[in-house]
Order: sequence, then C-alpha cells, then structure tokens
Amino acid sequence: EVVLTQSPGTLSLSPGERAILSCRASQSVSSSFLGWYQQKPGQAPRVLIYGASGRATGIPDRFSGSGSGTDFTLTISRLEPEDFGVYYCQHSGSSVPVTFGQGTRLEIK
Amino acid sequence: QVQLRESGPGLVKPSQTLSLTCDVSGVSISSGSYYWSWIRQPAGKGLEWIGRIYASGTTNYNPSLKSRINMSVDTSKNQVSLRLSSVTAADTAVYYCAREATYGLFDKWGQGSLVTVSS
Repeated sequence: EVVLTQSPGTLSLSPGERAILSCRASQSVSSSFLGWYQQKPGQAPRVLIYGASGRATGIPDRFSGSGSGTDFTLTISRLEPEDFGVYYCQHSGSSVPVTFGQGTRLEIK
Repeated sequence: QVQLRESGPGLVKPSQTLSLTCDVSGVSISSGSYYWSWIRQPAGKGLEWIGRIYASGTTNYNPSLKSRINMSVDTSKNQVSLRLSSVTAADTAVYYCAREATYGLFDKWGQGSLVTVSS
C-alpha cells in the first residue's frame, strides 16, 4: 500500500500569496496515477490535478502540479478567497488500495 | 451532464448491514469506460477508498474492509450498490459514490450520503 503524507497540516495565507502543498509517497509511484483534490465544507471533493501535472477541466491556471517519484507538489500561484478548503493528494496504481493523503487545510487570512 | 446520487438509510444499528445505492445519470455504466468507486469520510477526517466495480461486475476492494464488503452493479437501472456488513460506530461516515476515469482519477462525485451507526 502506498502511504501518502501531506505537509503542512494547515496553511494560513493571505489572498495574492503563493501556496505550496507537499505530498510524499512511501514508495516511488508513477506520476500518471497521482491526483489532487479540493474539498470545501459540506461538499464532495473535486479534482484539480491529474497525472501529477495536468489541470482538470475548468480548473484555473493558478493551480499547478509537479513532481515525480516520491515527492509531489501542488502550487496555487495567487490565492483567491475561494481557494480555502482541504486539499488531498491521491494515488491509484495497478494494485489496491487507492490511497489518499491525510489532507492539508488551507486557511485564507 | 453526468450525475451521481447516493441513497440509503441514514441510520444503521451496530452489527447490521449498511446498504447504499448510487444512481448514475448522463452516462451508461454499460459503456464500460469507467470504474465506479465508493469512498467514505468520517466527520472531520480524511477520505478512505472502499472499493470499485466495473460494468462487468469485476470488483477490487480495500483489503482493510474486504471481508465485509459486497459491491454490485445493475446495468438495467444504471446503478451500483454497496453493502457493508457487521457495522460498528467506526463505520459512521459520509459515503460517496465516484466515477473513476483513466489513471484512477475520480472526476465525478455524488453529493454524499451520511450513514450513522447507532443503536
């Protein structure tokens, strides 16, 4: 099982600042199977990034993903007030289970 | 427009079986282009993948829950179902149905169904 560890646990930033969220895998994984999701209170998660760096349909270009092997990053270049929420990384590989990181809570100052 | 909607009892007694259904609209499960997964989230906690099912009925389950899970698909009704047996309070969570696309991407989600296990 691939364990995903996200850091930091909580991030508190002001609008216009850059947010950098980290996801570290317990073993090397294929970038093709690494995704990022945003979840707001009372809502289902929505996909932001697929294949480590591809933006999902309708996702603003201020969201970008990068990384390979065991280290992956989600960057939000210029925070907007609506970007608050919890962000999860996720891995789906050839073997089960699908796993999620524990989440990073992004608070907007 | 693809939509997923979970339904089922909101309250289940300990040791009983949790049953949920996910109605899919806007895409045919029979098309075979996607897997259909169940994911749950206890209040204030993270996401846990329960398992997936394909149109053919092929399943993959989370090893941590495998002994208690049964998933099924009804292509005539365009719905998938989840049964989780011998539930305890630890199974209290919001249960989501999600479409799993290429490379394991969950691109469509239901609104979630809160299930509470309590006597």
